[in-house]
Amino acid sequence: AQSVTQLDSQVPVFEEAPVELRCNYSSSVSVYLFWYVQYPNQGLQLLLKYLSGSTLVESINGFEAEFNKSQTSFHLRKPSVHISDTAEYFCAVSDRWGGTYKYIFGTGTRLKVLA
Amino acid sequence: EAGVTQFPSHSVIEKGQTVTLRCDPISGHDNLYWYRRVMGKEIKFLLHFVKESKQDESGMPNNRFLAERTGGTYSTLKVQPAELEDSGVYFCASSPMTGKDWSTEAFFGQGTRLTVV
Repeated sequence: AQSVTQLDSQVPVFEEAPVELRCNYSSSVSVYLFWYVQYPNQGLQLLLKYLSGSTLVESINGFEAEFNKSQTSFHLRKPSVHISDTAEYFCAVSDRWGGTYKYIFGTGTRLKVLA
Repeated sequence: EAGVTQFPSHSVIEKGQTVTLRCDPISGHDNLYWYRRVMGKEIKFLLHFVKESKQDESGMPNNRFLAERTGGTYSTLKVQPAELEDSGVYFCASSPMTGKDWSTEAFFGQGTRLTVV
Protein backbone atom coordinates (compact mmCIF):
# COMPACT_ATOMS: atom_id res chain seq x y z
CA ALA A 1 0.00 0.00 0.00
CA GLN A 2 1.10 3.53 -0.68
CA SER A 3 1.35 6.25 1.92
CA VAL A 4 2.57 9.83 2.13
CA THR A 5 4.02 11.50 5.20
CA GLN A 6 4.22 15.23 5.71
CA LEU A 7 5.80 15.54 9.13
CA ASP A 8 5.38 19.30 9.47
CA SER A 9 1.79 20.37 10.02
CA GLN A 10 2.72 24.05 10.25
CA VAL A 11 5.77 25.97 9.07
CA PRO A 12 6.14 29.65 9.97
CA VAL A 13 8.83 31.52 8.07
CA PHE A 14 9.74 35.15 7.56
CA GLU A 15 9.33 36.80 4.21
CA GLU A 16 12.33 36.40 1.88
CA ALA A 17 13.66 33.48 3.93
CA PRO A 18 14.11 30.02 2.38
CA VAL A 19 11.68 27.22 3.15
CA GLU A 20 11.56 23.45 2.78
CA LEU A 21 8.38 21.43 3.15
CA ARG A 22 9.09 17.78 3.62
CA CYS A 23 7.36 14.87 1.96
CA ASN A 24 8.22 11.20 2.23
CA TYR A 25 6.33 8.39 0.60
CA SER A 26 6.23 4.64 0.66
CA SER A 27 5.28 2.45 -2.24
CA SER A 28 6.13 -0.95 -3.63
CA VAL A 29 5.66 0.26 -7.21
CA SER A 30 6.84 3.18 -9.27
CA VAL A 31 5.01 6.34 -8.37
CA TYR A 32 4.28 9.72 -9.75
CA LEU A 33 4.57 12.62 -7.34
CA PHE A 34 2.67 15.85 -7.01
CA TRP A 35 2.52 18.95 -4.88
CA TYR A 36 -0.82 20.71 -4.66
CA VAL A 37 -1.45 24.07 -2.99
CA GLN A 38 -4.62 25.45 -1.49
CA TYR A 39 -4.73 29.20 -1.02
CA PRO A 40 -7.31 30.58 1.41
CA ASN A 41 -10.87 30.14 0.14
CA GLN A 42 -9.71 28.48 -3.06
CA GLY A 43 -9.54 24.95 -4.45
CA LEU A 44 -6.52 22.73 -4.75
CA GLN A 45 -4.14 23.77 -7.51
CA LEU A 46 -1.32 21.73 -8.96
CA LEU A 47 2.01 23.32 -8.07
CA LEU A 48 4.37 20.86 -9.69
CA LYS A 49 4.71 17.21 -10.55
CA TYR A 50 7.27 14.52 -11.21
CA LEU A 51 6.33 11.91 -13.80
CA SER A 52 9.68 10.92 -15.29
CA GLY A 53 12.95 12.37 -16.55
CA SER A 54 14.80 15.01 -14.59
CA THR A 55 14.39 14.51 -10.88
CA LEU A 56 14.32 18.26 -10.23
CA VAL A 57 11.05 19.89 -11.18
CA GLU A 58 10.11 23.54 -10.91
CA SER A 59 6.95 25.61 -10.72
CA ILE A 60 6.32 28.94 -12.39
CA ASN A 61 6.34 30.79 -9.07
CA GLY A 62 9.79 29.74 -7.89
CA PHE A 63 9.13 26.49 -6.04
CA GLU A 64 11.11 23.38 -6.83
CA ALA A 65 11.03 19.77 -5.69
CA GLU A 66 13.48 16.95 -6.13
CA PHE A 67 12.51 13.33 -6.48
CA ASN A 68 14.90 11.20 -4.45
CA LYS A 69 14.16 7.55 -5.04
CA SER A 70 16.70 6.20 -2.54
CA GLN A 71 15.29 8.35 0.25
CA THR A 72 11.71 8.09 -1.03
CA SER A 73 11.34 11.83 -0.70
CA PHE A 74 9.91 14.69 -2.72
CA HIS A 75 10.65 17.78 -0.63
CA LEU A 76 9.40 21.16 -1.76
CA ARG A 77 11.72 24.15 -1.56
CA LYS A 78 11.74 27.84 -2.28
CA PRO A 79 14.82 30.03 -1.79
CA SER A 80 12.87 33.18 -0.90
CA VAL A 81 9.21 33.16 0.10
CA HIS A 82 6.62 35.90 -0.27
CA ILE A 83 3.58 36.75 1.81
CA SER A 84 1.46 35.45 -1.06
CA ASP A 85 2.92 31.96 -0.60
CA THR A 86 0.90 31.59 2.60
CA ALA A 87 -1.23 28.53 1.92
CA GLU A 88 -1.61 24.85 2.69
CA TYR A 89 0.57 22.50 0.68
CA PHE A 90 -0.26 18.86 -0.01
CA CYS A 91 2.08 16.19 -1.28
CA ALA A 92 0.47 13.35 -3.22
CA VAL A 93 1.43 10.16 -5.01
CA SER A 94 -0.27 8.13 -7.68
CA ASP A 95 0.71 4.82 -9.21
CA ARG A 96 -0.62 5.85 -12.60
CA TRP A 97 -1.18 8.95 -14.66
CA GLY A 98 -3.09 9.92 -17.69
CA GLY A 99 -6.82 9.52 -17.35
CA THR A 100 -7.07 8.30 -13.80
CA TYR A 101 -6.05 10.22 -10.71
CA LYS A 102 -6.48 8.20 -7.57
CA TYR A 103 -4.14 10.22 -5.41
CA ILE A 104 -2.82 9.33 -2.00
CA PHE A 105 -2.35 12.61 -0.13
CA GLY A 106 -0.36 13.60 2.88
CA THR A 107 -1.94 15.46 5.78
CA GLY A 108 -0.83 18.85 4.46
CA THR A 109 1.57 21.54 5.68
CA ARG A 110 0.37 25.04 6.47
CA LEU A 111 2.97 27.55 5.37
CA LYS A 112 2.65 30.88 7.14
CA VAL A 113 4.85 33.63 5.75
CA LEU A 114 5.45 36.41 8.25
CA ALA A 115 6.24 40.02 7.42
CA GLU B 1 -13.21 28.29 -19.32
CA ALA B 2 -14.94 27.60 -16.02
CA GLY B 3 -13.16 25.39 -13.53
CA VAL B 4 -14.62 22.67 -11.34
CA THR B 5 -17.53 24.13 -9.41
CA GLN B 6 -18.96 22.81 -6.20
CA PHE B 7 -22.18 23.69 -4.40
CA PRO B 8 -22.75 24.64 -1.68
CA SER B 9 -19.49 26.04 -0.39
CA HIS B 10 -20.62 25.46 3.19
CA SER B 11 -23.34 23.35 4.75
CA VAL B 12 -24.31 22.94 8.37
CA ILE B 13 -26.81 20.21 9.13
CA GLU B 14 -28.01 18.30 12.13
CA LYS B 15 -27.14 14.69 12.76
CA GLY B 16 -29.65 12.46 11.03
CA GLN B 17 -30.48 14.90 8.26
CA THR B 18 -29.72 14.47 4.58
CA VAL B 19 -27.33 16.60 2.57
CA THR B 20 -26.60 16.60 -1.13
CA LEU B 21 -23.39 18.02 -2.51
CA ARG B 22 -23.05 18.91 -6.15
CA CYS B 23 -20.05 19.02 -8.45
CA ASP B 24 -19.91 20.46 -11.95
CA PRO B 25 -16.72 19.29 -13.64
CA ILE B 26 -14.88 21.11 -16.37
CA SER B 27 -16.87 20.72 -19.57
CA GLY B 28 -15.78 17.69 -21.56
CA HIS B 29 -13.98 15.96 -18.70
CA ASP B 30 -15.03 12.32 -18.58
CA ASN B 31 -13.30 11.59 -15.30
CA LEU B 32 -14.82 12.87 -12.09
CA TYR B 33 -13.49 12.18 -8.60
CA TRP B 34 -14.70 12.79 -5.09
CA TYR B 35 -12.29 13.24 -2.20
CA ARG B 36 -12.83 14.08 1.45
CA ARG B 37 -10.71 15.69 4.10
CA VAL B 38 -11.66 15.15 7.70
CA MET B 39 -10.24 17.91 9.89
CA GLY B 40 -6.53 17.64 10.42
CA LYS B 41 -6.19 14.50 8.38
CA GLU B 42 -5.22 13.66 4.84
CA ILE B 43 -7.40 14.13 1.80
CA LYS B 44 -8.85 10.72 1.00
CA PHE B 45 -10.16 9.32 -2.25
CA LEU B 46 -13.85 8.40 -2.22
CA LEU B 47 -14.73 7.38 -5.75
CA HIS B 48 -14.13 7.85 -9.46
CA PHE B 49 -16.60 8.15 -12.32
CA VAL B 50 -15.83 7.66 -15.96
CA LYS B 51 -18.71 9.40 -17.63
CA GLU B 52 -21.77 8.07 -15.80
CA SER B 53 -20.18 4.82 -14.65
CA LYS B 54 -18.56 4.25 -11.28
CA GLN B 55 -15.05 3.10 -12.06
CA ASP B 56 -13.80 2.82 -8.51
CA GLU B 57 -15.79 3.39 -5.32
CA SER B 58 -13.35 1.72 -2.97
CA GLY B 59 -13.04 4.81 -0.79
CA MET B 60 -16.71 5.27 0.02
CA PRO B 61 -16.93 4.98 3.81
CA ASN B 62 -20.31 3.23 4.09
CA ASN B 63 -23.73 2.88 2.52
CA ARG B 64 -24.91 6.21 3.90
CA PHE B 65 -23.03 7.78 1.00
CA LEU B 66 -24.51 7.70 -2.48
CA ALA B 67 -22.84 9.24 -5.50
CA GLU B 68 -24.47 9.67 -8.87
CA ARG B 69 -23.51 11.14 -12.20
CA THR B 70 -26.55 10.89 -14.41
CA GLY B 71 -25.82 11.75 -18.02
CA GLY B 72 -22.11 11.91 -17.37
CA THR B 73 -22.10 15.62 -16.58
CA TYR B 74 -22.51 16.90 -13.04
CA SER B 75 -22.33 14.65 -10.02
CA THR B 76 -24.06 14.59 -6.67
CA LEU B 77 -22.92 13.08 -3.41
CA LYS B 78 -25.70 12.42 -0.93
CA VAL B 79 -25.17 11.64 2.72
CA GLN B 80 -28.21 10.09 4.38
CA PRO B 81 -28.45 10.11 7.33
CA ALA B 82 -25.52 12.33 8.24
CA GLU B 83 -23.39 11.49 11.26
CA LEU B 84 -20.98 13.69 13.20
CA GLU B 85 -17.94 11.95 11.71
CA ASP B 86 -19.04 12.94 8.22
CA SER B 87 -17.93 16.51 8.91
CA GLY B 88 -15.11 17.64 6.69
CA VAL B 89 -14.31 19.19 3.35
CA TYR B 90 -15.50 17.34 0.27
CA PHE B 91 -13.49 17.97 -2.87
CA CYS B 92 -14.44 17.18 -6.41
CA ALA B 93 -11.94 16.91 -9.24
CA SER B 94 -12.10 16.20 -12.93
CA SER B 95 -9.73 15.28 -15.73
CA PRO B 96 -10.10 14.62 -19.44
CA MET B 97 -9.69 11.27 -21.10
CA THR B 98 -9.81 11.46 -24.84
CA GLY B 99 -7.74 8.82 -26.53
CA LYS B 100 -4.12 9.54 -25.83
CA ASP B 101 -4.74 13.20 -25.05
CA TRP B 102 -4.57 12.56 -21.37
CA SER B 103 -4.08 15.25 -18.84
CA THR B 104 -1.21 14.93 -16.42
CA GLU B 105 -3.25 16.29 -13.55
CA ALA B 106 -6.70 16.41 -12.07
CA PHE B 107 -8.37 19.79 -11.57
CA PHE B 108 -9.97 20.37 -8.20
CA GLY B 109 -12.88 22.46 -7.06
CA GLN B 110 -12.78 24.64 -3.97
CA GLY B 111 -14.58 22.08 -1.88
CA THR B 112 -17.73 21.93 0.21
CA ARG B 113 -17.24 22.31 3.93
CA LEU B 114 -19.79 20.07 5.65
CA THR B 115 -20.43 20.44 9.36
CA VAL B 116 -22.72 17.96 11.08
CA VAL B 117 -23.88 19.09 14.53
